[in-house]
Amino acid sequence: EVQLLESGGGLVQPGGSLRLSCAASGFAFSSYSMSWVRQAPGKGLEWISAITSGSATTYFADSVKGRFTISRDNSKNTLYLQMNSLRAEDTAVYFCAEHTSRWTWGYWGQGTLVTVSS
Amino acid sequence: DIQMTQSPSSLSASVGDRVTITCRASQNISAYLNWYQQTPGKAPKLLIYAASSLHSGVPSRFTGSGSGTDFTLTISTMQPEDFATYYCQQSYSSPLTFGGGTKVEIK
Repeated sequence: EVQLLESGGGLVQPGGSLRLSCAASGFAFSSYSMSWVRQAPGKGLEWISAITSGSATTYFADSVKGRFTISRDNSKNTLYLQMNSLRAEDTAVYFCAEHTSRWTWGYWGQGTLVTVSS
Repeated sequence: DIQMTQSPSSLSASVGDRVTITCRASQNISAYLNWYQQTPGKAPKLLIYAASSLHSGVPSRFTGSGSGTDFTLTISTMQPEDFATYYCQQSYSSPLTFGGGTKVEIK
């Protein structure tokens, strides 16, 4: 059974940093690209970043480019999102998701809440 | 960036109704269109990929159609578990973008 488990969310002050993790199991993690998708409270879904299976290529939405970094450790079956210079508008539930096929997310984690507030 | 526009933003339906949701892309995306279902407090679930292919385990009452810029998700016979919010998403190019969502409520 495919499982994705996010962790690392919490309350952080504006300008602060946070690192999210996504532990994967039940599939060949090292063979799949992965993404982070977020959802602000009461709002829709927003894709923010992706990384290819071997980490060769990363992608970012303009809203987070230059502030967020995506990485992965295939030996630990774990995906990361390093978030710096956090803003109030980054407050959201952050989901990790597996690329079942081209830019298509067949499996999602349960999400972790990030709250940016003073 | 490719803009995705869903309509309606919400609708009311009864169990047994046929429901249709539309999604329009701001440019030609061929068949690179996915549909997701989300219930409150839960992660989205993939329903349809490549515009019309049913994801594993998804009931056959869900169908997708369309290509180019205009797409449709149809639920042939609403079941109680289908009351949720539905999102379209283009998988044509980065940045990946979603429609604004369609909330399907019980009438």
